[in-house]
Order: sequence, then C-alpha cells, then structure tokens
Amino acid sequence: EVQLVESGGGLVQPGGSLRLSCAASGFDFSFYEMNWVRQAPGKGLDWVSDISSSASTIHYADSVQGRFTVSRNNAENSLFLQMNNLRVEDTAVYYCARRKFFYGSSGYQGDAFDVWGQGTVVTVSS
Amino acid sequence: IQLTQSPSFLSAAVGDRVTITCRASQAISSHLAWYQQKPGKAPKLLVYGASTLQSGVPSRFSGSGSGTDFTLTINSLQPEDFATYYCQQLNTYTPLTFGGGTKVEIK
Repeated sequence: EVQLVESGGGLVQPGGSLRLSCAASGFDFSFYEMNWVRQAPGKGLDWVSDISSSASTIHYADSVQGRFTVSRNNAENSLFLQMNNLRVEDTAVYYCARRKFFYGSSGYQGDAFDVWGQGTVVTVSS
Repeated sequence: IQLTQSPSFLSAAVGDRVTITCRASQAISSHLAWYQQKPGKAPKLLVYGASTLQSGVPSRFSGSGSGTDFTLTINSLQPEDFATYYCQQLNTYTPLTFGGGTKVEIK
C-alpha cells in the first residue's frame, strides 16, 4: 500500500524548534519530488516547501524561507522538515505529499499531489 | 500566481449540479489540480491537468478550463461529496499556490 506517515509534531514555544519526519512506503521514494503543505486551524492549504528526488532542487514559501529546512534520506525512504525560530503563525497541521507527473499515450498529461500523509499537528504557543 | 476560488461557500441539495470556479492571476496553461478535503482528513486528489480525472474518482466529477479560468463540476451531488474543494496551480514554483477553498454544505 502506498503510504506516507508524518511524525514529530507537538507543542513548542515561540522561537523554538521542531523536526518533522515523513516515512514513505509502498513506492519508489527516491523517484519522486516531495512536498510539505500546512493548514492552520480553520484555514486553507498552504504550500511550504518541496525537494526534488535527488535533493538537488529545493524551494520554500517566502513565509518560511531562512527558518525551515527540508531534507530527505532516500535510503531510508524518509522526508524531513527542520523548523527553527517558530512563530505562532506556524501553528498548523503539516502534511507531506508526493508530487506525481502523469503521462499517457500522448505524453505529459499533468501533475499533482497524489499521495498525502495523515498530517502532524504543530502548535506554537507560550 | 494567485488563485481565486468562487464561491467560497455554497449550499446545495443531494442531486444538484454544482460548479466551482478557480481563476489564476496569470496564465497557467493546464497546470491545475483539484482536491477534496473532508474535516480532519488529508486532501484527496480529484483532477489533474485541469481536466483528467484521477483513477478511482467518480465520473460525476469533471474539470475544465485552461489559461486563467477553470471549473470543477459535480453532477448529481451525493451525500459523500459535502466537503471543501481546493484548486492548485503547478505551473511555477512561486509558490505552488492553492486557492482559498470552496466549502460545499447540505441545503
């Protein structure tokens, strides 16, 4: 079964740090670009970061640039998000998601986040 | 790239036809996906490439559009379709934006 399982969330004070993990199973993890997406309580989806299959290309949302670091260990089928200098506004459910590129008989058909984890809750509060 | 979904909320009855729109602030070709999210659950992919239904998604769902204007249509709304729907652009990494969401509730 294709699966993503996040862990590492919790309660942290403003200015603190947390490291989130995402364990992948059921697919060739090393082949896929991976993403982190968060959702603040009662709010919409907010893309956070992505990392290419080989970790050679990484992007961040402006809101986390310089504070968050994404990484991966393909040998262990794991994705990570190191979050430093956390702010109250970082409070959210954090999801990891796989980005898949779809191809048909006529070639590229589109891409999307086709597999999501169940999410891990991060609460930043004093 | 900003994505504007409308409406942000709609009330509909079982059996109704529902249309949700997503407008991009600049052209994104067909690099658009639609997701369904139920309370307390992760989003679920419905449509990619603006109009291709993900495997296993019921055929009452359909997507259309290209450039800046996109729609998600649900024909004959079912009880399990009451959820929040999001569009997402995957044209550029600045960033991979989501729309604000459309909550579909039971009338």
